[in-house]
Amino acid sequence: IAGITQAPTSQILAAGRRMTLRCTQDMRHNAMYWYRQDLGLGLRLIHYSNTAGTTGKGEVPDGYSVSRANTDDFPLTLASAVPSQTSVYFCASSGPNQPQHFGDGTRLSIL
Amino acid sequence: KNEVEQSPQNLTAQEGEFITINCSYSVGISALHWLQQHPGGGIVSLFMLSSGKKKHGRLIATINIQEKHSSLHITASHPRDSAVYICAVVDAGGGTSYGKLTFGQGTILTVHP
Repeated sequence: IAGITQAPTSQILAAGRRMTLRCTQDMRHNAMYWYRQDLGLGLRLIHYSNTAGTTGKGEVPDGYSVSRANTDDFPLTLASAVPSQTSVYFCASSGPNQPQHFGDGTRLSIL
Repeated sequence: KNEVEQSPQNLTAQEGEFITINCSYSVGISALHWLQQHPGGGIVSLFMLSSGKKKHGRLIATINIQEKHSSLHITASHPRDSAVYICAVVDAGGGTSYGKLTFGQGTILTVHP
C-alpha cells in the first residue's frame, strides 16, 4: 500500500441495504476525512477524525456513521442506503497543518 | 450564498495561454488549498497557503488575506492541464491543526492544442 486506499472502487446497491466503504492509509496521519462529491454541489464533508478513537460530524452526516479504531483505518457505513446517497465518496488523510491526501474515490449507486 | 466562490465556472483556453482562476471566501481562514481533479480521476493537492505566494513549475498560487481572495495562475498552459481546479478553505475558528475543508464548486478548465 502506498498512500491512501479506498475499496470498493464502485458498487451498485439496493436501497435499504447496509454498506461499508473502506479507507486505509499507511502515512501514519492522525486526521482522516470522508467526503461526498455530487454534480452541482461539489465536495462536502461527511465525517472526520482528528485522531484514533475520536470522530466528528461534518456538513452532511445524516445516514452515515464512522469509526476510528486505529490510525490506519476509517470505514464509512451506510446503515440503510437510500437513493440520495448515490454519489462519489472520497476518503482523505492529513498530518497537522499539512495538505490532505485523497484516495481515488468510490462510485456508489443506490437503486 | 456559498462560503467559497470560484470564478469562472468554466474556462476554455488555447495551448500556451496564461490562465487565472479566482477564489473568494467569506470567513476567516487559517489556510487555503488549491486542488486538481482530472476527469474520472482522483483529487490531488496543488498548494496549501496562508499568506503570500507559492510556485511549483508552471503553477502559481497567491492569497490576499485582507481581501479574502486567492488566485491560481497557470503559465504556458498545456492540454494536460485540462482538469477541474478546486479551491478549499480551512476555517480559522476550527481550533485545531487539522483542517476541515469547505470547498468551492470548482472551475472546469479545458486547454485546446
